[in-house]
Amino acid sequence: GEDVEQSLFLSVREGDSSVINCTYTDSSSTYLYWYKQEPGAGLQLLTYIFSNMDMKQDQRLTVLLNKKDKHLSLRIADTQTGDSAIYFCAESNNTDKLIFGTGTRLQVFP
Amino acid sequence: NAGVTQTPKFQVLKTGQSMTLQCAQDMNHEYMSWYRQDPGMGLRLIHYSVGAGITDQGEVPNGYNVSRSTTEDFPLRLLSAAPSQTSVYFCASSYRRSTNEKLFFGSGTQLSVL
Repeated sequence: GEDVEQSLFLSVREGDSSVINCTYTDSSSTYLYWYKQEPGAGLQLLTYIFSNMDMKQDQRLTVLLNKKDKHLSLRIADTQTGDSAIYFCAESNNTDKLIFGTGTRLQVFP
Repeated sequence: NAGVTQTPKFQVLKTGQSMTLQCAQDMNHEYMSWYRQDPGMGLRLIHYSVGAGITDQGEVPNGYNVSRSTTEDFPLRLLSAAPSQTSVYFCASSYRRSTNEKLFFGSGTQLSVL
């Protein structure tokens, strides 16, 4: 079945760039997503990328997709303390189901 | 704007008790779903609905029932709670379940089963 994998933790200094990585197994994935979860809250969609794209940029966020290696990454430039959260990768393949990864907890320290 | 509203925020149950987690959305969304979030396992889909009167199973449906009698409401029922159902539960909705539709999440229900 489909599987989405992420590392559990990432710690960065304020002002540095953060790169959160994700791998997935479903070669028929059509959309890949990044969601952010702040403490005590639900998930919020940050950005998504269609599978025929290899890059998408939105202000401080850059999404890179390597479809051959089934690897997705989220780069956050100039990371701020407000970026501390859990980041979830998710994939969809034109079904009614969205498959989430395990989430990466990003900690930003001064 | 209320968005997706979940109640209660916290609940403690004894093994064998039953309860219903409520979810309501005021955005006229066709698609609604329930996820559970467990440490190191991300979010797993329990049940979902693509419209009133239509429900289907997700990855981990056992021990849970759902119904969708109205567009707005999608309650999740635990018939006989077990400690393995201790988790944080999220309800999510979208206008429709196409692959580029944004999912809106509720703030979650933290459930402990003793």
